[in-house]
Amino acid sequence: KQEVTQIPAALSVPEGENLVLNCSFTDSAIYNLQWFRQDPGKGLTSLLLIQSSQREQTSGRLNASLDKSSGRSTLYIAASQPGDSATYLCAVKDDYKLSFGAGTTVTVRA
Amino acid sequence: DTAVSQTPKYLVTQMGNDKSIKCEQNLGHDTMYWYKQDSKKFLKIMFSYNNKELIINETVPNRFSPKSPDKAHLNLHINSLELGDSAVYFCASSQEGTHTQYFGPGTRLTVL
Repeated sequence: KQEVTQIPAALSVPEGENLVLNCSFTDSAIYNLQWFRQDPGKGLTSLLLIQSSQREQTSGRLNASLDKSSGRSTLYIAASQPGDSATYLCAVKDDYKLSFGAGTTVTVRA
Repeated sequence: DTAVSQTPKYLVTQMGNDKSIKCEQNLGHDTMYWYKQDSKKFLKIMFSYNNKELIINETVPNRFSPKSPDKAHLNLHINSLELGDSAVYFCASSQEGTHTQYFGPGTRLTVL
């Protein structure tokens, strides 16, 4: 059974600092890994998807890396802004389903 | 245009009642999902339908029954609601092969 862990559970940083969010998973037989953002009371927004054959994906200030053999992914957010405050969820896909971590709640202080 | 929509957004009901949550996607996707997010914010898959056929049914009480009238809709019917059913339920869809899942805004169910 796939288990996904995200550390830390919460993070508070001043504006402008870079963010590093970690995700680990127990079964490396995955199709892909996806990072989502969830705002309070809202649904999930997909940020980045990394296929199992890829090592990283970038979108604007966001960069996600994947080390499938060690079961790890890291999401980097450069030059954080107050608008980046949200919960970030990591999810891995095996067969037809996504298995989610519990998320990292990020607060960026102005 | 909303890609994945759910109704209602909030649902407050008494124990023992039967209720339904509706989901529609206008993305032309062939796979739809229901997830439950509990009070600890953990998201867990409940069901997945591909082309109107059930392909995932996790360990969910049989009081929960998904119904897919067509590829664009996946409704969730819950019988004999219990206090522990209180949660946020998310619908999602994807096109098999691209793997990116798109989520609806969620339905917050409160059972009193």
